[in-house]
Amino acid sequence: SAVISQKPSRDICQRGTSLTIQCQVDSQVTMMFWYRQQPGQSLTLIATANQGSEATYESGFVIDKFPISRPNLTFSTLTVSNMSPEDSSIYLCSVESGTDTQYFGPGTRLTVL
Amino acid sequence: GENVEQHPSTLSVQEGDSAVIKCTYSDSASNYFPWYKQELGKGPQLIIDIRSNVGEKKDQRIAVTLNKTAKHFSLHITETQPEDSAVYFCAASFNYGGSQGNLIFGKGTKLSVKP
Repeated sequence: SAVISQKPSRDICQRGTSLTIQCQVDSQVTMMFWYRQQPGQSLTLIATANQGSEATYESGFVIDKFPISRPNLTFSTLTVSNMSPEDSSIYLCSVESGTDTQYFGPGTRLTVL
Repeated sequence: GENVEQHPSTLSVQEGDSAVIKCTYSDSASNYFPWYKQELGKGPQLIIDIRSNVGEKKDQRIAVTLNKTAKHFSLHITETQPEDSAVYFCAASFNYGGSQGNLIFGKGTKLSVKP
């Protein structure tokens, strides 16, 4: 399985600001995913990020609010822009390994005041 | 699109007892069903998965069963221990051409194992 790290692990931010979350994998992977997990809720896919192409966003999520970069096969960033308290969530990145399974990072716990 | 229902939302058992969590899915094309365990403050951890060409899979105290006709799959944990306490998520996806489609998650089951 892949080893995934995320930075920051948690943050408290002010309304109207932006936060960039980093996801680093210990091996090269084609597909990376970003999820949101609202307090006490399940996981919702934000977008799929493949290296060398634009991210594919799920219904309800737009690039202006959640811009994603995927500069290489081991790294991706998700930015949460112009934050409001409703953006307070855990943000998780995951990767698809060679066996078609998804492994998750530890998450970034975001609180917006 | 796919919809995954998970029951129960909370489950409390005594240490040593068995725990069963059930999920149903709506898309008959789904062919991959993983289970994740999420401990407080951590990311989801894959604990077992099953593909549609198999009816049952077991890994020590954990087993998963799949009924394709009824479109439901279940997680069975035997001889539960306090460290099994966590939130468990089921998911479903359609694996095509060697790549996995989007995972659709159930709402989760909070399992509490009382010593």
